[in-house]
Amino acid sequence: EDKVVQSPLSLVVHEGDTVTLNCSYEVTNFRSLLWYKQEKKAPTFLFMLTSSGIEKKSGRLSSILDKKELFSILNITATQTGDSAVYLCAFFGNEKLTFGTGTRLTIIP
Amino acid sequence: SAVISQKPSRDICQRGTSLTIQCQVDSQVTMMFWYRQQPGQSLTLIATANQGSEATYESGFVIDKFPISRPNLTFSTLTVSNMSPEDSSIYLCSVLAGGPGGELFFGEGSRLTVL
Repeated sequence: EDKVVQSPLSLVVHEGDTVTLNCSYEVTNFRSLLWYKQEKKAPTFLFMLTSSGIEKKSGRLSSILDKKELFSILNITATQTGDSAVYLCAFFGNEKLTFGTGTRLTIIP
Repeated sequence: SAVISQKPSRDICQRGTSLTIQCQVDSQVTMMFWYRQQPGQSLTLIATANQGSEATYESGFVIDKFPISRPNLTFSTLTVSNMSPEDSSIYLCSVLAGGPGGELFFGEGSRLTVL
């Protein structure tokens, strides 16, 4: 059975800290790995990764995929209170998106 | 990107009743999905809504409980039937953009509370 596991489940840091969120997967028919941020109801798209070793970057957020070791990380540098959210990792394969458990990130001012 | 309108935004329902959630997309899309997010949990796929044919349900979800319609490429409905408190969740409509392997866009979600 396909599965996506995220760690840690929750994380509390101070504003300005750098955080690394982890996502490991065991899936068949892998096509892409995606990261989402969920603050209220609807998740918002952050990154889509398809190739190993190529970093995607958007401002203070960056992500990379390792298809050999089957994991991805999401880095957030110089965290701000607005980064507080649940971060979801998901893989696209078998014509559907399967989500991980999520990491709840809390930034303390 | 796709703009997805979902309604109702929230509702409080009585046990044993049914509620239909609507999802309208501003462009034609091939693949449309319905997810459920129970309190404190991640997103779980209920089914893929197929235009012109029956929906494809995931393990643990059945058509009698969650009937889905997909009359055209821009619209779908999900009905939660014979509701119980365990059905209290956020229900999310989503569409695939950019072809297979592309990102998924989500509607704003419908927060359902069953008393």
